[in-house]
Amino acid sequence: DTAVSQTPKYLVTQMGNDKSIKCEQNLGHDTMYWYKQDSKKFLKIMFSYNNKELIINETVPNRFSPKSPDKAHLNLHINSLELGDSAVYFCASSLGNSGNTIYFGEGSWLTVV
Amino acid sequence: QKEVEQNSGPLSVPEGAIASLNCTYSDRGSQSFFWYRQYSGKSPELIMSIYSNGDKEDGRFTAQLNKASQYVSLLIRDSQPSDSATYLCAVRDYGANNLFFGTGTRLTVIP
Repeated sequence: DTAVSQTPKYLVTQMGNDKSIKCEQNLGHDTMYWYKQDSKKFLKIMFSYNNKELIINETVPNRFSPKSPDKAHLNLHINSLELGDSAVYFCASSLGNSGNTIYFGEGSWLTVV
Repeated sequence: QKEVEQNSGPLSVPEGAIASLNCTYSDRGSQSFFWYRQYSGKSPELIMSIYSNGDKEDGRFTAQLNKASQYVSLLIRDSQPSDSATYLCAVRDYGANNLFFGTGTRLTVIP
């Protein structure tokens, strides 16, 4: 029973392509996130949605566009992929914003060649 | 971007010893503090959360928080090889929807 699931787990693609990563949570949480972890293991917030509304949009290129069709799903679409986009992308979710635990998905390993 | 700093590591301890992981944060408004463990190739998993000054114990793990010094630590007693992982410190402001992570400390427990 995967709580936060994301697909695909591994993705190798060429520069310039457009790709999407999907995320779903079955925890009944109302807040979802995308984090990026670089090669040095630094985990940084990209986006956060609460009840389908964007509430955090950190400084990321506008080639990255999140979409939340409902509060259980948060997808990440990336246009015109660049070598520097290679990283692990983690989807996460939590209940509200009062300090509750954030639960992470398994990660999606993106390699741009 | 708020700053969360951890002792850079890597940290190696023998099996059975106490491992001490340290974290400082820059924002005095931070209210919630978390320690996540991340095995290589896996996602971060929460092992401890702490909200008040003092110590919080859970099995072999003890989190310590000192808000005046803006310092949070994690002690792992009787370290086991299975504790070998990267430990991530994270802080969260009251009402904030985001965690700010440190860069992590790689711990190796030597059998």
